[in-house]
Amino acid sequence: QITLKESGPTLVKPTQTLTLTCSFSGFSLTARSVAVGWVRQPPGKALEWLALIYWNDDKRYSPSLKTRITVTKDTSKNQVVLTMANMDPVDTATYYCTHKREYDDTVNNAFDFWGQGTVVTVSS
Amino acid sequence: DIVMTQSPDSLAVSLGERATINCKSSQSVLYSPNNKNYLGWYQQKPGQPPKLLFYWASIREFGVPDRFSGNGSRTDFTLTISSLQAEDVAVYYCQQYASSPYTFGQGTKLEIK
Repeated sequence: QITLKESGPTLVKPTQTLTLTCSFSGFSLTARSVAVGWVRQPPGKALEWLALIYWNDDKRYSPSLKTRITVTKDTSKNQVVLTMANMDPVDTATYYCTHKREYDDTVNNAFDFWGQGTVVTVSS
Repeated sequence: DIVMTQSPDSLAVSLGERATINCKSSQSVLYSPNNKNYLGWYQQKPGQPPKLLFYWASIREFGVPDRFSGNGSRTDFTLTISSLQAEDVAVYYCQQYASSPYTFGQGTKLEIK
């Protein structure tokens, strides 16, 4: 059974760096075709894809945020970490981590498992 | 970037009636070598994470009721609920996973009339 859980601060100040951790179980991020992604959702607004990290350490970032975000993995801990620099009040959102498969079209390649999300508020 | 546009933004349908949500991509999400459309549909209820309903545009995820159907190809897709139930009230999103960035539509809010 695949599960993901986000953790991190609920409140950050403007200009600070946000660090969120996604802890997962039920799969390995060393297995070919597996990826973990981040998606956020401002209050009352739509979903926004942020980043994805693959089993081979390849990474993809949202073009609008790529200068501010970094994603890394620790396969020994089954964790993925998202850092976002220079936080602003417009970054206030619920942040989700997700599981994805890719490069194997015999299986589902959409974002099939999601964490419950963690709410991050940016305010001084 | 592939832009995903959903219509309508909101929809009110009577219980037992059909609901149809449209999704249009700015570029084709059909990958010719495998003839698959890299398009997913998600349902999000208040206070919950999104739930995947369909992948490859029309493959129903396990446990999704068969009153839900997904159709379309290349740039035009639809999500249909054949007979709306009260528990279907939610916001629905389409997403393309053909190429990064993996963009979502703006969402369609489905309510009971």
